[in-house]
Amino acid sequence: QLLLQESGPGLVRPSETLSLTCTVSGASISSTTYHWGWIRQTPGKGLEWIGSIYFTGGTYDSPSLKSRVTMSVDTSKNQFSLLLSSVTAADTGVYYCARPNVVEWVFDFWGRGIQVTVSS
Amino acid sequence: EVVLTQSPATLSLSPGERATLSCRASQNVYTFLAWYQQKPGQAPRLLIYDASNRATGIPARFSGSGSGTDFTLTISSLEPEDSAVYYCQQRKSWPPITFGQGTRLEIK
Repeated sequence: QLLLQESGPGLVRPSETLSLTCTVSGASISSTTYHWGWIRQTPGKGLEWIGSIYFTGGTYDSPSLKSRVTMSVDTSKNQFSLLLSSVTAADTGVYYCARPNVVEWVFDFWGRGIQVTVSS
Repeated sequence: EVVLTQSPATLSLSPGERATLSCRASQNVYTFLAWYQQKPGQAPRLLIYDASNRATGIPARFSGSGSGTDFTLTISSLEPEDSAVYYCQQRKSWPPITFGQGTRLEIK
């Protein structure tokens, strides 16, 4: 069974960079033809797709966040990561990593989510 | 960007009743629409993909229909555990993948 777990700081100061990692267990991060995704849920915008990354490092980003998002993958650790720069209170919310299993861009497997608060 | 508008915002029904949830897309997404269920404190759970295909392990009382810009999620006979927020999501026009704002279903 594929399991995903988000990790990272729960509190980030305004203007700093949010850094999250998703650890994959139950399968190799390289074993899929699908993209690994980051999705967040904020009070202001609800569910919002941040971006997705392939195990080779190719990425797709949301246009509204593109200038602030960096994603990477570490196949040796079976992990992929998200950096979101210049955060504000509007970035406060629950961040999920997820992956499709049947069709691309539809997410069957989700992590439990991690609450991130942007505050000084 | 495709905007998904869900209605109603809240639905309150009794066990055994039929629930009908709507999702309208701002442009044609063909049948590239999915539905998720989210309970408090949990990640979304995939119910339906490509408008009418049930995901693995989803009970038959959940069904989806529609194409183009108008879609429906139907729960044929409500159970108490169906109380949740339901979201639609399109994958036709990306980036970005977009979600609706959700319909809250309350079971009386």
